[in-house]
Amino acid sequence: GQNIDQPTEMTATEGAIVQINCTYQTSGFNGLFWYQQHAGEAPTFLSYNVLDGLEEKGRFSSFLSRSKGYSYLLLKELQMKDSASYLCAVREEAGKSTFGDGTTLTVKP
Amino acid sequence: DTGVSQNPRHKITKRGQNVTFRCDPISEHNRLYWYRQTLGQGPEFLTYFQNEAQLEKSRLLSDRFSAERPKGSFSTLEIQRTEQGDSAMYLCASSRQGHEQYFGPGTRLTVT
Repeated sequence: GQNIDQPTEMTATEGAIVQINCTYQTSGFNGLFWYQQHAGEAPTFLSYNVLDGLEEKGRFSSFLSRSKGYSYLLLKELQMKDSASYLCAVREEAGKSTFGDGTTLTVKP
Repeated sequence: DTGVSQNPRHKITKRGQNVTFRCDPISEHNRLYWYRQTLGQGPEFLTYFQNEAQLEKSRLLSDRFSAERPKGSFSTLEIQRTEQGDSAMYLCASSRQGHEQYFGPGTRLTVT
């Protein structure tokens, strides 16, 4: 079956760096996505990895190791507005994506 | 605003009633997805379309649920004989093939 694991909650301090991990076991793999979701809002796209390695996008970076079924999202220079849920999603086939339950990040002053 | 719209934004209905939701995707996106999300969980895949063809439907979806995308543009999701367990946020997303998904604001369904 499909299984995506992320920590439920994390807390970090404004200005710091935080790493959110995601491990997955899925029947297929055709890319891994990270989305940000603020409370009461829809998810918004952050990053995409399909090959092993690090993808950097401003304050956000995402890493993928397909052999280990592992990814992380790295957030630098944390701001209060980064408090949100971060969703890891694996695209298993041409269209279908399976989402993890998300990691709720709280940024404290 | 991602460019994906959903209507209505909120729906309260009594158990046993039918409801229909609409999603208007970004116009150049040929793929459209429906998800259901409850508090504290990630979006759960329901079904997706490529143009007007429904390519996959979750096994979790009972036959009370049906979705259409008749002209390959907007889509509707209908739930017949609603149950309290159907209460959730219903999210629609669209994408170009092989690219990230853009989500609409969702329709929050409450079944009383």
